Amino acid sequence: QSALTQPRSVSGSPGQSVTISCTGTSSDVDDYNFVSWYQHHPGKAPKLMIYDVNKRPSGVPDRFSGSKSGNTASLTISGLLAEDEADYYCCSNAATYTWVFGGGTKLTVL
Amino acid sequence: QVQLVESGGGVVQPGRSLRLSCAASGFTFRNYGMHWVRQAPGKGLEWVAVIWYDGSNKYYADSVKGRFTFSRDNSKNTLYLQMNSLWAEDTAVYYCVRDRSVHYFDFWGQGTLVTVSS
Repeated sequence: QSALTQPRSVSGSPGQSVTISCTGTSSDVDDYNFVSWYQHHPGKAPKLMIYDVNKRPSGVPDRFSGSKSGNTASLTISGLLAEDEADYYCCSNAATYTWVFGGGTKLTVL
Repeated sequence: QVQLVESGGGVVQPGRSLRLSCAASGFTFRNYGMHWVRQAPGKGLEWVAVIWYDGSNKYYADSVKGRFTFSRDNSKNTLYLQMNSLWAEDTAVYYCVRDRSVHYFDFWGQGTLVTVSS
C-alpha cells in the first residue's frame, strides 16, 4: 500500500488560510469516507484534528475544516496562528483493516 | 484523562528481538481496539498493526507481517508488541494509539524509540 501524497511544505502568514491536499487512489481515499488528519509537533504525541473527512473532535477550533472530492482530501486552516506551525498527516482506511498515511506536510507560519 | 505510555524501546542489533509495552489509563481499556503506528527518522507516519478490543482479531502492515506480534492483557490494561527479526528499516518511534470505530485514531502516546543498529 503506497503512502498518500501530500505537499512536503506549505506556508502562510498569521490570519491567512492554507489548504493541505492529500491524494490517494480508488482503493483508499476515493473508496472510503474515513479520511482523518493529525497535527504533530515534533517530540509530542500526534493530535487528531479531523475525522470522517470533515468532522472535528471536541476541542479542535472551527478554524480547522476538512473536505474530500474523489481521490483527494483537503485540510483547510483559516485564521492561521503561530501555534498551528506543525507537521500535518492525512490518513485513510485502505484495504480491509489496514490504514495508509500521507507523507506529511510541514506548515510554516511566516 | 486518557493516557497511553509506551516503554521497552532501545538499541537492538539486526536480527534480534524486542518487546514494546503500552500502559493505558483513563478509559475502559477493554472496550477499545488499539494500534501501533511508527515514524522512522525524518519520515512520515506508518501504520503497523491493530488489535480488536478483545484480542480476537489482529491485522498487520505487510512490512511487519510474520515478524511482529500484537497482543493485549485487558486485566492489566496493557498492550504488547513483540518484534522479531528486526532490521534497520524498523528503526522508528513507535506510538501506541487508541482506535475509534475502526476509522481513525483519537489518542496517541508519546512514543518509544527503537533503534536497530550493530
